[in-house]
Amino acid sequence: GENVEQHPSTLSVQEGDSAVIKCTYSDSASNYFPWYKQELGKGPQLIIDIRSNVGEKKDQRIAVTLNKTAKHFSLHITETQPEDSAVYFCAAWVSGGSYIPTFGRGTSLIVHP
Amino acid sequence: DGGITQSPKYLFRKEGQNVTLSCEQNLNHDAMYWYRQDPGQGLRLIYYSQIVNDFQKGDIAEGYSVSREKKESFPLTVTSAQKNPTAFYLCASSTNRGANYGYTFGSGTRLTVV
Repeated sequence: GENVEQHPSTLSVQEGDSAVIKCTYSDSASNYFPWYKQELGKGPQLIIDIRSNVGEKKDQRIAVTLNKTAKHFSLHITETQPEDSAVYFCAAWVSGGSYIPTFGRGTSLIVHP
Repeated sequence: DGGITQSPKYLFRKEGQNVTLSCEQNLNHDAMYWYRQDPGQGLRLIYYSQIVNDFQKGDIAEGYSVSREKKESFPLTVTSAQKNPTAFYLCASSTNRGANYGYTFGSGTRLTVV
């Protein structure tokens, strides 16, 4: 089955700095890669996703890049703000296949004012 | 607005008691899931259902039970056989049709054993 590894487990940055979280996956059939943000005591919320036919996608301060050859994808947050502090999860999924995405173990991002 | 509703937000269980967590969605999603999340841990799959009246065990199904009598509803029962039930429980739903696939989470239920 699919295996997703996420690094780092904890990331501490100063406000205004950039943050990068990386995930690798094992199943070359995976073709959908969402990222979720989970604030304390709440459910994860989808913040950005990318499909395997695209190499990069941006949404304001957030971007995701995908390298299918190397089987890794990354979340980039620029100009970080204290409200970006949360746990971020990546996932890999085979569209049209199993209904079960495989999640990374999460990255706790702490943005210091 | 469409979404997933979990209730209650907080739940307290006495030793030896069964409790049921509610999950309702109006997204017309076919599949629904239950996850358990412990502090500092990732998401562990308890049960999932791809269609009405059918469900499968996930990685940690022991001590839990589910039903899927309606497309919109997927309640989770935490039985007395679950020895360490204190955790944050998340329900999710998804569609996997064509290009419109997506995975949506509820806001969670925090269960505490007292």
